[in-house]
Parts: sequence; structure tokens; C-alpha cells
Amino acid sequence: AQKITQTQPGMFVQEKEAVTLDCTYDTSDPSYGLFWYKQPSSGEMIFLIYQGSYDQQNATEGRYSLNFQKARKSANLVISASQLGDSAMYFCAMRGSEGTSGTYKYIFGTGTRLKVLA
Amino acid sequence: EADIYQTPRYLVIGTGKKITLECSQTMGHDKMYWYQQDPGMELHLIHYSYGVNSTEKGDLSSESTVSRIRTEHFPLTLESARPSHTSQYLCASSIGTGGVTEAFFGQGTRLTVV
Repeated sequence: AQKITQTQPGMFVQEKEAVTLDCTYDTSDPSYGLFWYKQPSSGEMIFLIYQGSYDQQNATEGRYSLNFQKARKSANLVISASQLGDSAMYFCAMRGSEGTSGTYKYIFGTGTRLKVLA
Repeated sequence: EADIYQTPRYLVIGTGKKITLECSQTMGHDKMYWYQQDPGMELHLIHYSYGVNSTEKGDLSSESTVSRIRTEHFPLTLESARPSHTSQYLCASSIGTGGVTEAFFGQGTRLTVV
């Protein structure tokens, strides 16, 4: 069974500092994708960054980077130079390989609520 | 900018009413999904579809039903709403194969059953 674990229900970070949000995963699929989404209080889900299981390098997107450690099955999100607008829920998610139905399923963790302090 | 739309954004309805939550996408994605999310909690997959006329139940049991008659449209129906159905419902779609295949989400429908 596939599972995503986020062990930090809430985090605080000072504005302009970096913060790491933890994510570990479990899957037996040889091919999978890992994602991070941001959910502001308005409720929409905003895609931030993607890491493929075969990617050799850690993904980066602007101030976001993904620390991918395949052997440890971890995919931590690093936000550099935090801004007040980064305050939100952050979800780690995994997409498994296509099953017999030909459909990906996206599995989400329980989320981490990040609060950026001025 | 993702082109996936959900209506209504907010809905307050009485117990026993039949409701349909609409979800449409203009990206031609084959895969579509419905998630249920209580405030501040994780997302639970309740339905998904891999193409027209193909739907499957998700990991969380739900009394809702879905249909996929057109690629772009994936409505969710509750035949008889109950207070336990109060939640946020998020619709998503994905391209399915190759490269970065993130799920694109609609803005969600916040349902309150009174």
C-alpha cells in the first residue's frame, strides 16, 4: 500500500529564514512521482514542485527545493527566504505508476501548517 | 494557469436534498478525481475516472456517485444530503502519462448540510 507521512502538524519560521517541511513515503511501485502542494486559507491547492523517482537531481523551483533521499524514502520541502505569504497548509503527495485501470492515484499526507512570523 | 472549474464555491443545503457538484476542465485531461477534505485535514480520494464512461471508487467510502459522459465534465451527486456530508470537495485532473504529471485542482466546493 502507498502511504505519505508528514510528522509536523505545525511549524513556525521567522520571515526571511529557511524552513524544511518533512515528508516520508512508502510504495512498492518502481516508478512514482512526488509532489508538494500549498493550500492557503482560501482552500485551493497550488502545485509547487515535482520529483520523479528516477530523477538524479533534486528538483528546484524558485524558492522551493525538494531534498529527495530515495534510499530513506524521504522528500522534504525546503523553502528559502520565507515570506509572510508562505503561511499556509503544505501537503506532500505521491503518484503511483499506472495500475491495470490505467489511472494514477494521488495519495496525500496529513499536511503541515506553516506560519511565517514577521 | 490551470483550467479546471468547480461550481458552486459554497453551498448550504437542507438535509435530504439532492445536490450535484459540478467540475469541468478544458485541458483535455483523461484522468479526473474527486477528493473530500475536512478543514485543515488531509485529502481523501472518493472517486476517480480514467476516461469517458469509466469511473472507480476511491480509498474513502462515500455515498456520492459520479459520472463521466464527456471528457471535460465530472459531476458528483449526493442523492440525499446529510450533515455528515459537510466538507470541502476538491476536483482535480491530470494528463496521465510522461514527465511531470501533477494533478490540477479546482477551487473547491465548501458544502454545508444543515
